[in-house]
Amino acid sequence: DADVTQTPRNRITKTGKRIMLECSQTKGHDRMYWYRQDPGLGLRLIYYSFDVKDINKGEISDGYSVSRQAQAKFSLSLESAIPNQTALYFCATSDSPGNTQYFGPGTRLTVL
Amino acid sequence: GNSVTQMEGPVTLSEEAFLTINCTYTATGYPSLFWYVQYPGEGLQLLLKATKADDKGSNKGFEATYRKETTSFHLEKGSVQVSDSAVYFCGTAGTSYGKLTFGQGTILTVHP
Repeated sequence: DADVTQTPRNRITKTGKRIMLECSQTKGHDRMYWYRQDPGLGLRLIYYSFDVKDINKGEISDGYSVSRQAQAKFSLSLESAIPNQTALYFCATSDSPGNTQYFGPGTRLTVL
Repeated sequence: GNSVTQMEGPVTLSEEAFLTINCTYTATGYPSLFWYVQYPGEGLQLLLKATKADDKGSNKGFEATYRKETTSFHLEKGSVQVSDSAVYFCGTAGTSYGKLTFGQGTILTVHP
């Protein structure tokens, strides 16, 4: 089984809808991250969490919120989706700063 | 904050050709440096990394050397294969909270 899983893998939604993307990990890592990938822009950090009581904004957090329900689960929500949030979203985990981050397979989100 | 500049793509090579993808970075201190690879339809996976100056990361025939004097971490492979076709991302890890800063990615296509 994959160490980092994301659901759903694909989602098409309409402007104004609330969307939740979920991430689960079995690596036992404390640190979890949400990134967004856009063509030609690489990956940009949305939110990160060091443990269930620690949530931090990344470089592009506007329009997003997160919830760390447990060490193994980290969800990303779009409260009111807009078309420029159409992108590929990745969850990642790490056990300490500077160490390898392990990525999930991604969620492709399309907002119409 | 840290920043990463990658060689613009796409890069198209014939099988067994030599590959170089340039990467330069700006950062305070001495961050860890990474190359991640993304195969079609998949998430990112670590290809290689280096944690201090003059370190050489290597994996699957790929190599990159941490050059502090030129702030570079160029990726090389002596003989590429069709299966190396993917998107390659250079990245640095900040020491404060482990955030990865990525370049924009380089698409590599290898033809038989």
